[in-house]
Amino acid sequence: DTEVTQTPKHLVMGMTNKKSLKCEQHMGHRAMYWYKQKAKKPPELMFVYSYEKLSINESVPSRFSPECPNSSLLNLHLHALQPEDSALYLCASSQTGTQKKGMNTEAFFGQGTRLTVV
Amino acid sequence: SQQGEEDPQALSIQEGENATMNCSYKTSINNLQWYRQNSGRGLVHLILIRSNEREKHSGRLRVTLDTSKKSSSLLITASRAADTASYFCATETGGFKTIFGAGTRLFVKA
Repeated sequence: DTEVTQTPKHLVMGMTNKKSLKCEQHMGHRAMYWYKQKAKKPPELMFVYSYEKLSINESVPSRFSPECPNSSLLNLHLHALQPEDSALYLCASSQTGTQKKGMNTEAFFGQGTRLTVV
Repeated sequence: SQQGEEDPQALSIQEGENATMNCSYKTSINNLQWYRQNSGRGLVHLILIRSNEREKHSGRLRVTLDTSKKSSSLLITASRAADTASYFCATETGGFKTIFGAGTRLFVKA
């Protein structure tokens, strides 16, 4: 199974709502990522989890709250978002390899959640 | 933050022609990867080249890496209409930090 599954596929939420995006993989990958992608732009890294611990937070506003409950699941909790947060949110996973030797391998991406904040 | 630039931003070719996309980056890297994205969906990994490699092939894909110039190129030979997509390079700088370039939008006309 080489799939990363993201739910929901589409989400419309109001600025006062609380919602969560979910991501699941069963490839035994111990690195998981959240990216945000605006139309016609490249994906921007938001968070990285390594062995279920947050290892990178790219200065993301606190209205985005990641969580990694176990090695297969990654959540992104959303609260008090702004219309400019509307985007495609992509989850990815990869093997951890050996960081010092730069042996990180390919990342597998989910199909994304298209988020609209109204 | 964006690591590098890609050119061209957009490329339109006829089926059967070759397509070449270039990527430049700013900092030293562990590896460089190329991904394809169809119509705003998930990204698909195409090929990874490590910093100590200069060239790599996979089917109709050929990737080169010049670390002295901090640049890479992706060549797709004998293109097909199904190759129409956006192509991104991504550089891994250590600690799982992988940053994507601006991307090239390729359109292959049948």
